Amino acid sequence: QSALTQPASVSGSPGQSITISCTGTSSDIGGYNYVSWYQQHPGKAPKVMIYDVSNRPPGVSNRFSGSKSGNTASLTISGLQAEDEADYYCSSYTSSTALDVFGSGTKVTVL
Amino acid sequence: EVQLVESGGGLVQPGGSLRLSCVASGFTLSSYWMRWVRQAPGKGLVWVSRINRDGSSTSYADSVKGRFTISRDNAKNTLYLQMNSLRAEDTALYYCARDGYCSTTSCYPDVWGKGTTVTVSS
Repeated sequence: QSALTQPASVSGSPGQSITISCTGTSSDIGGYNYVSWYQQHPGKAPKVMIYDVSNRPPGVSNRFSGSKSGNTASLTISGLQAEDEADYYCSSYTSSTALDVFGSGTKVTVL
Repeated sequence: EVQLVESGGGLVQPGGSLRLSCVASGFTLSSYWMRWVRQAPGKGLVWVSRINRDGSSTSYADSVKGRFTISRDNAKNTLYLQMNSLRAEDTALYYCARDGYCSTTSCYPDVWGKGTTVTVSS
């Protein structure tokens, strides 16, 4: 199965808002509300930031929000902070394998 | 402390086999679906496989289907990944993860191990 499509990099200044897009098909993002987003700092395991399109797990800052329109999901980080600099991956359930599929990953740089 | 510890990685020749283990502590393994995820050096994340609580239902990425087998021994609090017919492209850091964040219809990983490295090379 093909990875979901994300921009390779996104950058912003402290305090700004950025949005990362994640594009799939009707067999994954467009067909199910099972989209999640993961943050990964270098050398560390991933951490889920958003699940079921827009839900935040306990302990995740409300600066992180998720949404979906058609075959595209989005992660918005508001009030950008230095600690947000990391790689971000979207993920969606896909009917083709009854497993999930990750996006290609986006490196977020805080200028 | 809730923890997952992977082991079993190493250097193996193309066509060879390895079995990865993931020992759970601080919680009851049988209460959770579990997953394996891999990350090739400098590359992105890939879901490899998932297994339900009693091991009766499994799913696999297309790239490993027919070669990898996920299983679990809840009595030993251990998750496994049997990897056969290994290829160079299977070289990666392999993480196990617990599906602990659950909504009414789905679950997502909340606890991850530190990973074990598999290198396939002659």
